[in-house]
Amino acid sequence: AQTVTQSQPEMSVQEAETVTLSCTYDTSESNYYLFWYKQPPSRQMILVIRQEAYKQQNATENRFSVNFQKAAKSFSLKISDSQLGDTAMYFCAFMLERSQGNLIFGKGTKLSVKP
Amino acid sequence: DVKVTQSSRYLVKRTGEKVFLECVQDMDHENMFWYRQDPGLGLRLIYFSYDVKMKEKGDIPEGYSVSREKKERFSLILESASTNQTSMYLCASSPYRGFSYEQYFGPGTRLTVT
Repeated sequence: AQTVTQSQPEMSVQEAETVTLSCTYDTSESNYYLFWYKQPPSRQMILVIRQEAYKQQNATENRFSVNFQKAAKSFSLKISDSQLGDTAMYFCAFMLERSQGNLIFGKGTKLSVKP
Repeated sequence: DVKVTQSSRYLVKRTGEKVFLECVQDMDHENMFWYRQDPGLGLRLIYFSYDVKMKEKGDIPEGYSVSREKKERFSLILESASTNQTSMYLCASSPYRGFSYEQYFGPGTRLTVT
């Protein structure tokens, strides 16, 4: 069975600084996708960034980037130039390519950006 | 923009009541999902559906059932609500084997069972 672990229940960062959220996963399969989702307070969950396991290049979306280490089964999210609007719960998620699109989520990291 | 809507943001029900949570998506997505979100536990999959009238159990289906009579609508049913079903319920949809595999989420229904 696949599992996703987020070891940091809560984190805080000063505005404009950089923060890294950790995620590790466990699978014996080779073909999968990884995601980071963001859930702002009282707002809908949205996709931040995704990574295909077959791609060696780390995904980047503006201030958000990942460090994907396939051998180590690690998928961390780096947020640069943190903004107050980045305050949210962040969930790491895993999906097997052969699945029906089912996501397996970590327990989440609550990020607070302080002014 | 993809829109996933849920029938209620907040719901209060009594123990033993039958509860219906409705979810509607407007992007013709094949897949639809129901999750339960609890603090410290993340999101756990209750049921999902990859086609009309099709359903598959997720990780925690006990005490729940689902219905998908139309492609755009996926209902979660609590046959006899219990206090341990007090939680946030999230619906999501995604295209079947679509390029992005992105799941689009609704705003959630916070259910309290008293």
